[in-house]
Order: sequence, then structure tokens, then C-alpha cells
Amino acid sequence: QITLKESGPTLVKPTQTLTLTCTFSGFSISTNGVAVGWIRQPPGKALEWLALIYWDDDKLYSPSLKNRLTITKDTSKNQVVLTMTNTDPVDAATYYCAQKRHGAQYFDYWGQGTLVTVSS
Amino acid sequence: QSVLTQPPSVSGAPGQRVTISCTGSSSNIGTGYDVHWYQQFPGTAPKLLIYGNSNRPSGVPDRFSGSKSGTAASLAITGLQAEDEADYYCQSYDSSLSGWVFGGGTKLTVL
Repeated sequence: QITLKESGPTLVKPTQTLTLTCTFSGFSISTNGVAVGWIRQPPGKALEWLALIYWDDDKLYSPSLKNRLTITKDTSKNQVVLTMTNTDPVDAATYYCAQKRHGAQYFDYWGQGTLVTVSS
Repeated sequence: QSVLTQPPSVSGAPGQRVTISCTGSSSNIGTGYDVHWYQQFPGTAPKLLIYGNSNRPSGVPDRFSGSKSGTAASLAITGLQAEDEADYYCQSYDSSLSGWVFGGGTKLTVL
């Protein structure tokens, strides 16, 4: 059974760095072709893909946020971490992590999401 | 402004058929990338509904179907049920952005 769960602060101040952790089970991110991505959704708005990391440590970022994002993985802990610098109130959203399996261009399994507020 | 364009809302009576369109461009759907659909209920994570334009994951009723043509795709729901009331998102890959893109979402209301 594949599960993912996001964790991190619920509130960050503007200009601070946001660090979110995705802890997963039921698969290994060292498996050929597997990837974990981050997607966010501001309240009442659409989904937005942010970043993705592959089994071989290849990383992709949304061009609009590339300068502010860093995605890393810890294979031994079954975790993927997303760091966003210089947060702004517009970054307030529910942040999801999701698995992308080998050969797929869609996200099979999603975490429950974690709501982040950006406010002073 | 989402890369993929969906109608903000659609509605239908129980038992009816509704369709949700998803329009892209030559850098995503039009260049051959598949379209996938997700269903999202309030306060919950999106769930994969259709993958590879027209394939249903295990457990998804065959009332849901997808198609793609040119730079657009459609999700059709037949025999509409009250439990289908949700938000629906299309998704594809964009070669210009080198990343995954979503539609703006469509809220389905069952009258």
C-alpha cells in the first residue's frame, strides 16, 4: 500500500524559508523511474506543479519558482524535502506531495496535503 | 492563469451526461502529450480519475471516460450521480515549461 504524508509548519512569516517534508511508504525512491513531486493549491484556486525529483536525483522545477525552490531526497528515510525561500503571502496554499511512477506523466498517489499560511 | 483551459463550472441533473473540456496548445496536448484527469472533493487531495487520455485506474466507474483530439481533451460523465459533485482538473506535460501543467479546474454541480 502506497502512502505519502506531508509535514511542516502551518505558519511562516513573510521572507522566511519554508521547509516541507514528504514521508512515504510502500515504494522506494531508488527504484528505476520513480519520482516524487510537489504540487500546491491556494485556497479556492487551481493546482500548480512546483518541483519533482527522480530516483536518480534528477530534479525539475517550475520555471516561475525555480530560483526559490530546492528539492532533495533521503532514500534511507523514505523522505523528500522541499525548501522554498523568501516566502510571500501569495505562497499560502495546501502543499501536496505525490508519486510519479516509471514511464507515467501523471501522479498516481497523493498525500493528504498540508496547509501553509504566510503571515506576519 | 492556468496553461490548460477548463470551464469554471458545469452542471447536470442526475442521470444526465456532462462533459468537461480541457484546451491546451502546441507545447503540451497538441504536441502529443497525454492528458490526465483528477477528481477532488472539498478538503481532500486530488484523486487520479483518468490517465493516458482515456484509461481508468482500478475502481473508477466506467461512467467516467476521457478522450483527446488535437490540442484539446474531454472528460465525460454519464449517468450523473450526486456523489460526482466535485472539482475536476486536467493535467498534461508542457515541453516549453519542461514541467507538468494543470487546468484551472471545473466545478461540477449535480442539480
